[in-house]
Amino acid sequence: EALLVQSGTEVKKAGESLKISCRNSGYSFSDFWIAWVRQKPGEGLEWMGIIYPGDSDIRYSPSFQGLVTISADKSISTAFLQWTSLKASDNAMYYCATGATASGTTPFDHWGQGTLVSVSA
Amino acid sequence: SYVLTQPPSVSVAPGKTATITCGEYNIGDKSVHWYQQKPGQAPVLVVFYDTDRPSGIPERFSGSNSGNTATLTISRVEAGDEADYYCQVWDSSSAHPLVFGTGTKVTVL
Repeated sequence: EALLVQSGTEVKKAGESLKISCRNSGYSFSDFWIAWVRQKPGEGLEWMGIIYPGDSDIRYSPSFQGLVTISADKSISTAFLQWTSLKASDNAMYYCATGATASGTTPFDHWGQGTLVSVSA
Repeated sequence: SYVLTQPPSVSVAPGKTATITCGEYNIGDKSVHWYQQKPGQAPVLVVFYDTDRPSGIPERFSGSNSGNTATLTISRVEAGDEADYYCQVWDSSSAHPLVFGTGTKVTVL
């Protein structure tokens, strides 16, 4: 069974760069989609982007295109989400989630515990 | 843009039925998944591919999808069902591949 472990809480200043991670264990990392989801305090879930590590197919939400970069390192079964210049509006909890199958319509049945990103102005 | 519209809140008495809708034009042509999120926790999948339930999810949770509306139904509601619920569509072949609904807060009276 898949297990997703995310990197820990980050406290940063506006303008700084950041890369958070989502390590997968218990299944074939390359064969399942991994999504990144943002949740601002008191708000709903927002899809940021998704990657298929097997062929590095990456799709971004139009709302996040150009603002973040999604990547994966198959050698360490880890997906990443990175910013080059954080803003105060990036304050949020960030989740990774993996699909139940390799299908392009798969539900996301395993979620990481979340990474809290706090950005001060 | 593709937006999945949910009612902001639903209130239900224990033992009654809660109905949560997820609306978008022709959503019946897509596969809809539903997630439950309790405060301070990551989302949990409760219904997938419109009507299926993951193992461990009570039969009280059921789904349907037709026309312009997908629906999550919680029968015999319990206090532990109080949470936020989100619908989701994911289709890698779509111009808008992945979308979450706006979310519904279910309050058990």
